[in-house]
Amino acid sequence: AQSVTQLDSQVPVFEEAPVELRCNYSSSVSVYLFWYVQYPNQGLQLLLKYLSGSTLVKGINGFEAEFNKSQTSFHLRKPSVHISDTAEYFCAVRPFQAGTALIFGKGTTLSVSS
Amino acid sequence: KAGVTQTPRYLIKTRGQQVTLSCSPISGHRSVSWYQQTPGQGLQFLFEYFSETQRNKGNFPGRFSGRQFSNSRSEMNVSTLELGDSALYLCASSTGQGLSSDTQYFGPGTRLTVL
Repeated sequence: AQSVTQLDSQVPVFEEAPVELRCNYSSSVSVYLFWYVQYPNQGLQLLLKYLSGSTLVKGINGFEAEFNKSQTSFHLRKPSVHISDTAEYFCAVRPFQAGTALIFGKGTTLSVSS
Repeated sequence: KAGVTQTPRYLIKTRGQQVTLSCSPISGHRSVSWYQQTPGQGLQFLFEYFSETQRNKGNFPGRFSGRQFSNSRSEMNVSTLELGDSALYLCASSTGQGLSSDTQYFGPGTRLTVL
């Protein structure tokens, strides 16, 4: 079975500050890792995903994430946030086997203020 | 390319009724998954269809069912609605190979309110 823990339910930051959203996972099988963002009244949009190779993954909107296999973590970072980054962020895992489900964390609400 | 579309966007039903939600995937996508999103439980997987076959099902009661048509459009049905079924129902589609590494593209969701 797989589980995803997002360690912070809410993260308030000021505009232009750096931010890190933390994600840990547990799985008995190999998994792919994803970060999605959800803006108010919208569906989810993929920010980035880790499949293999370099453990540092760059995504859209200036976000990046680092896969750490030994710590089973996949933390999301941005060096300088904007007001428009205010949204809910979801970390997810999916086993390699086709037909398996995306397993999501509970989400982290990022609130950026000026 | 048009994105994933879901209809209707909002729905209000009463307990005991049944409801059908529709999802049109991105053109060329053959895999469609459904998720339920609630404040308490977060995002939970309902089922996945690939080429008209259900490949996987989440831990939901039999009142929740779905199907996929030959044009990859999908519907999900909830019978005998309960108050706890109030949620945002999200549909996601992914490319033709149906691999776990494929990106899932989400629609805007259908907001179901059960009174």
